[in-house]
Amino acid sequence: EDKVVQSPLSLVVHEGDTVTLNCSYEVTNFRSLLWYKQEKKAPTFLFMLTSSGIEKKSGRLSSILDKKELFSILNITATQTGDSAVYLCAAKALIQGAQKLVFGQGTRLTINP
Amino acid sequence: DADVTQTPRNRITKTGKRIMLECSQTKGHDRMYWYRQDPGLGLRLIYYSFDVKDINKGEISDGYSVSRQAQAKFSLSLESAIPNQTALYFCATSASAPHEQFFGPGTRLTVL
Repeated sequence: EDKVVQSPLSLVVHEGDTVTLNCSYEVTNFRSLLWYKQEKKAPTFLFMLTSSGIEKKSGRLSSILDKKELFSILNITATQTGDSAVYLCAAKALIQGAQKLVFGQGTRLTINP
Repeated sequence: DADVTQTPRNRITKTGKRIMLECSQTKGHDRMYWYRQDPGLGLRLIYYSFDVKDINKGEISDGYSVSRQAQAKFSLSLESAIPNQTALYFCATSASAPHEQFFGPGTRLTVL
């Protein structure tokens, strides 16, 4: 069964801390891994990772994929209260001849001032 | 203006009623998706469509049906709503490549 597991499920830190969110996956015919940030309602896209070992970076956020060990991490440095959100990872897989996203449960990140 | 819109944004209905959730997009994408989100379970795929004539079941399609009326419109129907269909429903779109998905604002559905 295809699955994506995120950890921790919940994390509370102080503003300025650095956090690492984990995502492990077991999917058939893996294609890529995506990270989303969900604040109030709709998820917004952060990164798509296709190759191992190549870090993607956007401001204080960065992410990397390890296709051998089947995991990805999302790092946020110098956290701010605006980083508080649920972070979702999703594995894009080829299932029954079509590409689909399999989502993890999400990590709820709370940044306290 | 939002690229992916959903109507209604909130809906409360009773068991047994037929409900339709609508999704429209102005991104010109061929691919459209319906997900539901439940606490602790993440997003789960209900149905997806890669073009107007293509409809595919996702992992939890039972109790749901869809209609792709045009490239820009993809509707989700609950023929006879039941309480365990209470959830947050998201529509999403993507181009054929690079497959990044863009989500609508969501519809919160409550079935009493």
